[in-house]
Amino acid sequence: AQSVTQLDSQVPVFEEAPVELRCNYSSSVSVYLFWYVQYPNQGLQLLLKYLSGSTLVESINGFEAEFNKSQTSFHLRKPSVHISDTAEYFCAVKHGSGNTGKLIFGQGTTLQVKP
Amino acid sequence: DVKVTQSSRYLVKRTGEKVFLECVQDMDHENMFWYRQDPGLGLRLIYFSYDVKMKEKGDIPEGYSVSREKKERFSLILESASTNQTSMYLCASSPGTGKVDTQYFGPGTRLTVL
Repeated sequence: AQSVTQLDSQVPVFEEAPVELRCNYSSSVSVYLFWYVQYPNQGLQLLLKYLSGSTLVESINGFEAEFNKSQTSFHLRKPSVHISDTAEYFCAVKHGSGNTGKLIFGQGTTLQVKP
Repeated sequence: DVKVTQSSRYLVKRTGEKVFLECVQDMDHENMFWYRQDPGLGLRLIYFSYDVKMKEKGDIPEGYSVSREKKERFSLILESASTNQTSMYLCASSPGTGKVDTQYFGPGTRLTVL
């Protein structure tokens, strides 16, 4: 069965410091991976996704994630965080091989950026 | 921009009440989803629908039912609300045209059952 594990429930970090949010997955089918972000009192928004091709994917606000097949990981990184990056981040993997569009989500990691 | 709206941001109900949570999307998406979000558990899929009047159980369907009479609207029904259904409920939709669709989420409904 497919699953997603986010290894840290909370990550506190100071502004302008680098950050890594860890995500590991298990899947026996083709892997499609996502990071979603949830800002306070809002729904989830897609941050970035890996479907195929280059293993390094980037978002428009400076985050990047690298698909590592040998380590079954899809860690999210940012070299310098801002206060506005404070949010909950969810890693997700596409469920199964069909076209249902279903995703399996991890438990979430709360990023707390301190001034 | 895709817009997914949910009928209420906050809702307080009593045990045993029948509860309706409404979700509407404006982008003609085929797929719609209902999740509940609980601290430490992430998002868990309750039900999803891939077409009008079509539905499929997710991972935690017990105590819930759904209705999709029109393409743009997907309703979640708690037949007899219980305190363990106190949670944040998130609706999402996706186009359904590709093998891997992006899901678009509504703002959520925080339901408290007393």
